[in-house]
Amino acid sequence: AQTVTQSQPEMSVQEAETVTLSCTYDTSESNYYLFWYKQPPSRQMILVIRQEAYKQQNATENRFSVNFQKAAKSFSLKISDSQLGDTAMYFCAFMKHEETSGSRLTFGEGTQLTVNP
Amino acid sequence: DAGVIQSPRHEVTEMGQEVTLRCKPISGHNSLFWYRQTMMRGLELLIYFNNNVPIDDSGMPEDRFSAKMPNASFSTLKIQPSEPRDSAVYFCASSPRGGRGAGEAFFGQGTRLTVV
Repeated sequence: AQTVTQSQPEMSVQEAETVTLSCTYDTSESNYYLFWYKQPPSRQMILVIRQEAYKQQNATENRFSVNFQKAAKSFSLKISDSQLGDTAMYFCAFMKHEETSGSRLTFGEGTQLTVNP
Repeated sequence: DAGVIQSPRHEVTEMGQEVTLRCKPISGHNSLFWYRQTMMRGLELLIYFNNNVPIDDSGMPEDRFSAKMPNASFSTLKIQPSEPRDSAVYFCASSPRGGRGAGEAFFGQGTRLTVV
């Protein structure tokens, strides 16, 4: 079974600064996906960024980037130039790659990020 | 595409009543997930389907919970009888198997269930 751990229940950052959210996971699989989802107060789950385990290059989406360390089973999210709208709960998630059948999406406990003006 | 559609958005019911939550996944997606979110337990996977077939229902808390997917465009999660501890936000999500979005889950807006 896979587990995902986010050790920071809460974090805060000043507007325009950079913040890094941590995530570690445990799996015996070699091919999988990792995600960061954002859940603002509206409770909508929004995909922030996605990483495929077989790709060595770290994924980047505008101000969001990841540091994927496969050997260490670490997948941190860096938010640059933080904006007030980034205030949300952030979830790290894991999904095993399956060719023919679906696979469960396992979430971490979440990190509540607050961006202060 | 309109995205994953869940209904109702909010449900308030009395203890002992039957509750049915509904989900319409994104057309063409092969996998469908039901999650429950509470402050105490976070996001828990209740069950997921692949090609309308239940693959893993180990997260279903007890026999009071049941889920069906009669076709590729509709799924239900039923609680009978409901109890106050079932109060939570229930999310449905769907995922494509192949292509650029492979592995990504698209979430509905959730149903906030309150059992009094």
